[in-house]
Order: sequence, then C-alpha cells, then structure tokens
Amino acid sequence: EAAVTQSPRNKVTVTGGNVTLSCRQTNSHNYMYWYRQDTGHGLRLIHYSYGAGNLQIGDVPDGYKATRTTQEDFFLLLELASPSQTSLYFCASSGDSAETLYFGSGTRLTVL
Amino acid sequence: QQQVRQSPQSLTVWEGETAILNCSYENSAFDYFPWYQQFPGEGPALLISILSVSNKKEDGRFTIFFNKREKKLSLHIADSQPGDSATYFCAARGNNAGAKLTFGGGTRLTVRP
Repeated sequence: EAAVTQSPRNKVTVTGGNVTLSCRQTNSHNYMYWYRQDTGHGLRLIHYSYGAGNLQIGDVPDGYKATRTTQEDFFLLLELASPSQTSLYFCASSGDSAETLYFGSGTRLTVL
Repeated sequence: QQQVRQSPQSLTVWEGETAILNCSYENSAFDYFPWYQQFPGEGPALLISILSVSNKKEDGRFTIFFNKREKKLSLHIADSQPGDSATYFCAARGNNAGAKLTFGGGTRLTVRP
C-alpha cells in the first residue's frame, strides 16, 4: 500500500507568519505534488517535483515556495502567510506515468 | 479559467438509484481522465479512469461514459449505497503535460438509505 504522510495535521498562524508543511512518501515515486483544496475550486496544483532538487511550477504558485530535499521528502513553504492561503493542503506522489496519484491525509492551515 | 468543470456541485440520490456525475473539459490535448473519490477527513483516492481512445469503462458498479467530440464524460454509480457518499473529482491529463493532473471542482454525493 502506497504511503504518503503529511505533517502537521492542523496549523494556525497569523498574517505574515512563516509556515512549513512537510510531506514524506515511502513509495519510491519520482513525482511529488502539492495541491490546495478549496470549496468550489476542487484541487489546484501549487508545485510539483521530479526527484530531489527538482521543482516545477504548478497552476497557483504565487506566495508559495517548495523544496524537494530527498526522493522521500517534499516541503511547502509560506514565508509571508496571508488569509487567502487558508486552505486544506494535500501532498501526493506518483510513478512516472502519473496514472495514479497517492494522496496524504491533508494539512488544514488557518491564517488569521 | 477552469479547464475541467463538474456538475452538479452536489447531488442527493436514494439508495439503489443510479447517480450520474458530469464532467466537461476544454483542452483537446487531454487524453487521460481519472475519477477520484474523497471521504471526509481523508485524501482523494483513485476510483476509476479512462483513456480518450475508449468511450466506456466499467468497474463493478462504476462506469465512465466518454464523448470525445463533445468533450464530455460522466460517471455513473449504479445501485448507489450510503457508503458511496463522498466527494467525486474528475481530473484530466494532457499528452504533452508531463505528470500534471488538472482537477474539476468536485461533486458532493449523498446517498440516502
């Protein structure tokens, strides 16, 4: 069973705060993704990566940085958090064909 | 501009009925269409998928109907069960988009016993 683990599960910060969301996968997958989920918008791709040190820009990248330190670990960084970034964030991994994405359980971020 | 659209946003059916969830897309380069199922508190999980070379895909009670000319597809859930209550996402991947999946806004399905 493919495994993607996200931490923390919940996070509250203030406007202007610095936040790091973590994701680890044990699937030996090359691709990892960060999505945000908002009612009415579904899942929107923020950044994704093909292997350690690689970063690809997604569809809604503004205000977010990401870093892939190893094949297993992918981080999402919000350096100046804003209330518009209040959302449910999902990490996922996939093999090279990307036919199946395996998602984590999500991180709910609230920016006050 | 949303490239993948879903309707309705929410749907309620009775147990035993067939639920029909609709999806449309704009990009002719999309060639792979997975549907993901998400239960509250969990991440989405792949339910069923179809390639654009096919017009129908069945997996048990779940069937995708695909119309390439109209750029539309639908997910039919036969004999709906309360355990099918979840949010369903239609997604699409282009043949030139690497590993990028574009998701629709989702349909929240409630099956009443």
